[in-house]
Amino acid sequence: AQSVAQPEDQVNVAEGNPLTVKCTYSVSGNPYLFWYVQYPNRGLQFLLKYITGDNLVKGSYGFEAEFNKSQTSFHLKKPSALVSDSALYFCAVRDVGSQGNLIFGKGTKLSVKP
Amino acid sequence: DGGITQSPKYLFRKEGQNVTLSCEQNLNHDAMYWYRQDPGQGLRLIYYSQIVNDFQKGDIAEGYSVSREKKESFPLTVTSAQKNPTAFYLCASSRGTRETQYFGPGTRLLVL
Repeated sequence: AQSVAQPEDQVNVAEGNPLTVKCTYSVSGNPYLFWYVQYPNRGLQFLLKYITGDNLVKGSYGFEAEFNKSQTSFHLKKPSALVSDSALYFCAVRDVGSQGNLIFGKGTKLSVKP
Repeated sequence: DGGITQSPKYLFRKEGQNVTLSCEQNLNHDAMYWYRQDPGQGLRLIYYSQIVNDFQKGDIAEGYSVSREKKESFPLTVTSAQKNPTAFYLCASSRGTRETQYFGPGTRLLVL
């Protein structure tokens, strides 16, 4: 069975500092991995995805994520946080080889303070 | 949110009433999805459709119904059988079920 975990309900970062939002996953085969961001009372916006290839994936708004197969992780990172990055972040996974749907984590609230 | 519209933004349901949430996309996507979002629970799949005139139940389909008569439209009906309908409902679409999903702005359903 597929699953995804976001171990932190909330992450607090000072503006200008690097940020990391953690995600670990479990699939039986190879994973498709996604990060989405949600601002209050809005839909989810796609940030980036990993399908295959380079383990470091670059996405929108300066975000990037590193796929680590041995640790089954796909952590979201940004070198310098902005106050406007404050939002709810969701990691999602599906098994490449299955017809299964996307499984979403419970979300991590990122708070960036000035 | 571009290309996918949901209406209304807020919807109020009375006891015993069925209500329908609208989702339209102009992205020419084949696949469409409905998710329910509750605080602290992430997104849960209600129904999805891979192609016109076909749809499948997701993880929490009880108390909901859908139709897919047109490629661009995938309305969701919350029936009176859904005893706890208060939530934020999100519609999404993708070129295929293995492609990136793009989301609409959501509808918040409240019970009077």
